Amino acid sequence: KAGVTQTPRYLIKTRGQQVTLSCSPISGHRSVSWYQQTPGQGLQFLFEYFSETQRNKGNFPGRFSGRQFSNSRSEMNVSTLELGDSALYLCASSPGPRTGELFFGEGSRLTVL
Amino acid sequence: KQEVTQIPAALSVPEGENLVLNCSFTDSAIYNLQWFRQDPGKGLTSLLLIQSSQREQTSGRLNASLDKSSGRSTLYIAASQPGDSATYLCAVREDDYKLSFGAGTTVTVRA
Repeated sequence: KAGVTQTPRYLIKTRGQQVTLSCSPISGHRSVSWYQQTPGQGLQFLFEYFSETQRNKGNFPGRFSGRQFSNSRSEMNVSTLELGDSALYLCASSPGPRTGELFFGEGSRLTVL
Repeated sequence: KQEVTQIPAALSVPEGENLVLNCSFTDSAIYNLQWFRQDPGKGLTSLLLIQSSQREQTSGRLNASLDKSSGRSTLYIAASQPGDSATYLCAVREDDYKLSFGAGTTVTVRA
C-alpha cells in the first residue's frame, strides 16, 4: 500500500513568488492535514480537510491556503513568499478526522531566498 | 489552549539501556495521543496511537502509557539500539480536527 506522497520534495523560490505543494494521501484516507515545521517554532498546524471541506485552520496569515479534491488529494498554496516561510511542509492523512491514526509524508522542503 | 510539553529536550544513553520519554498535556479532554519518530530532514513515522479510552499500547520493544487524568503519557523503549537515535514527538488530538505537538525529545543511543 503506497504511503503519503508529497511533491515536490525540494524547491527554492524568491521573495514575493508563490508556491503550490501537493499531497496524495494513502488510498482510502479522506482526511488530509498540513503542518509547517521550522527549527524555531517546531511543528505547527496549518489546516485540515475532510471530504473537500476545510474543517479547521491554524493561526497562519491568509497567504496560506489549501484545498482538497474529490479524490482526496490536497494542495496548499503560499502566496507572496517571505523569508520566514522557509520550512519543511508536512502533509498527513488519516481515514477520517479525530480518531484515526495519522500518517505523514516525507515533506516538501521550501527555501525562500 | 492545549499545551504539550516533552521533557527532557535531549537524552543520550548507552546501547542496551531502556529509554523513558515523557509527554505532558494541559487539557485532559483529548480523543487520542500519538507518538512519532522523526529522523533528520525526514517526515514523521507513526509509532503508537493510544485512544482516550486506553491505558497503554505496545508494539515490539515500544510501550506507551496514557494517564488522561494527570495529563501524561510515557513512551518506553526497551533495550535501546543506535538505530533508535532520532527525535520522538508526541501529539494530542484535542478536538475533531486539530493536533497539538510537543517540541520533541532528541535521543542519541551510543554504541
